[in-house]
Parts: sequence; structure tokens; C-alpha cells
Amino acid sequence: DSQMAQSPSSLSASVGDRVTITCRASQSISSYLNWYQQTPGKAPRLLIYAASSLQSGVPSRFSGSASGTDFTLTISSLQPEDSATYYCQQSYSPPYTFGQGTKLEIK
Amino acid sequence: EAQLVESGGGLVQPGGSLRLSCAASDFTFNIYEMNWVRQAPGKGLEWVSYISDSGTTIYYADSVKGRFTISRDNAKNSLYLQMNSLRAEDTAVYYCARITYGSGSHYFDLWGQGTLVTVSS
Repeated sequence: DSQMAQSPSSLSASVGDRVTITCRASQSISSYLNWYQQTPGKAPRLLIYAASSLQSGVPSRFSGSASGTDFTLTISSLQPEDSATYYCQQSYSPPYTFGQGTKLEIK
Repeated sequence: EAQLVESGGGLVQPGGSLRLSCAASDFTFNIYEMNWVRQAPGKGLEWVSYISDSGTTIYYADSVKGRFTISRDNAKNSLYLQMNSLRAEDTAVYYCARITYGSGSHYFDLWGQGTLVTVSS
């Protein structure tokens, strides 16, 4: 099974900051890496799929990249509405494991 | 607009059973693979189970294998999760989620609002 190590577990940043969240897979998952955003009491929302493809309707300040088994979600200019918990997920093979989550707070 | 709506959650005693449903609307349900994902209170997301579009291929997380059964009725545009021998650690919000293919990959692009299952005496 592929385990996903996500970091940091939490961070605090200011509006306009560039923010980076990292996910490392325990084995090769090609580009089968997705990023989701979740706000309290809501279902997860797909942001990025296939490591770097932006889901329709998601602001262009969100981007994803990959290098081997390391994956990165970047928010180029943080906005107040980006306060949420972010999860990576591998969809290479079942079990479709999620990272532990990163709680992003706006200062 | 495509939508998934879960139902069937509630309070159940340890060792009890519950059946969750997920009703799909405004998309062609029978060509999509589906999943159940859960989230314990204050915790992260945990994938639970997968079923192919025809229902012939099924996978489970080790934590629920042998106790939970996923199924679907394409004529009714519905997904199900039969949960038996429930434990306190099964307490969670349960989401159904659709798989879509794109850019040589696949991902969970549509989620329901979730239904809460509480296992407690």
C-alpha cells in the first residue's frame, strides 16, 4: 500500500503570502496525486488532479507540481477564503490513501 | 447539476448494523466508479471502499474488510454501504464520492454532503 506523508500538519500565513504544502508517497504513484480543500462542516472539494491539473472553477492561484514521489501544492497569493484543511490523496491503486491533512490558518 | 445525497446515518449500538445510501442525480450514474470515504470527528479523511461501474470489482480498506459491503443499483442510481459488527471507531461522517478520469489519471470530483454514523451504547 502507498502511504502519504503530508507536511506541515498546520501553518499560519498572511494574506498575499505564498504557501507551500508537501506530500511524499512511500512508493512510486506516477502522477496519480490529487489535492482537496475542506472547510469545517463541508465535503472535500477537488482542487488539483493528476499532480498538476487545475480542476474547473478553481482559482489559478492554486497550482500543483511533482518531482518523483514528492508532490507540492502551492497557493501563490493567499486569500482569506483559503483558510481550510488541505489533503493530498494517491489514486494510483487501492487503498486510495489520503495524507494526514494540513490546517491552514490566515493570520 | 450533478449531485450525490447520502442518507441512512444515525445512532447505533456497538455490534449493530446500518445501511447507508447515496442517491445520484443529473449524471449518468452507471458509467461511473464510486467510493465511500469517512471522517471521524476532528480527524482526517479515510478511504473506505470502491466499486466499479458494473459492480463487478470491489475493494475495501483493511479496517472494514469482512464487516462492510459496498453495492450499487444502477437502475435506481444508488450506491449503498451495508455496515455490520459496528465498532466505536466506525463513528464518522460517511461521504460517497464519484471517480472521474482525466489527464491520464482519476480522481474524486463529486462528493455528497455526508451522513453521520455514531456507534455508541
